Amino acid sequence: KQEVTQIPAALSVPEGENLVLNCSFTDSAIYNLQWFRQDPGKGLTSLLLIQSSQREQTSGRLNASLDKSSGRSTLYIAASQPGDSATYLCAVRSSNTGKLIFGQGTTLQVKP
Amino acid sequence: ETGVTQTPRHLVMGMTNKKSLKCEQHLGHNAMYWYKQSAKKPLELMFVYNFKEQTENNSVPSRFSPECPNSSHLFLHLHTLQPEDSALYLCASSQGVGWDNEQFFGPGTRLTVL
Repeated sequence: KQEVTQIPAALSVPEGENLVLNCSFTDSAIYNLQWFRQDPGKGLTSLLLIQSSQREQTSGRLNASLDKSSGRSTLYIAASQPGDSATYLCAVRSSNTGKLIFGQGTTLQVKP
Repeated sequence: ETGVTQTPRHLVMGMTNKKSLKCEQHLGHNAMYWYKQSAKKPLELMFVYNFKEQTENNSVPSRFSPECPNSSHLFLHLHTLQPEDSALYLCASSQGVGWDNEQFFGPGTRLTVL
């Protein structure tokens, strides 16, 4: 059974820092991996999607990497800003079932 | 309205009440989803509908009854809930149920069962 783990559960950094959020998954049979952002009281917004054949995806200050063999993905945020404060969720789509399996998220606070 | 909307945004109900959650998508999508997000737990998929037909029910208790009258609307009828059903209920939609289809999420309904 696929399990997705995100560490740390919470992170607080000063503005301007570069930071890395981690996501690990137990089954390497994935179709793709997606990073979402969730603001308090709001739904999920897709940030980046990496296909299983890809190693990384970039969007602005965000860079997501994927190492399928080791079951890991990282979300790198450059020059963090207070507006980046949110919960970041990682989700993998199983290539066996097609189901989207979510991690519990990392709640990020960027202090001015 | 744009995207995926959900009403109400907050709901408090007793265990004997009957209430309904509503989701509407304005994206022209054909697939709609209900997810449950409990504190300290990952998002859990509850139901999937494709072209108004239920294609997935992830062993959800019968006290949760979904309804999809058309591809733009999805309801979750609630009755005789338990306090442990308190959670954020998220609706999502996608063009189809294929694995490359991106899901777009609504803001959720925060449900508290007393």
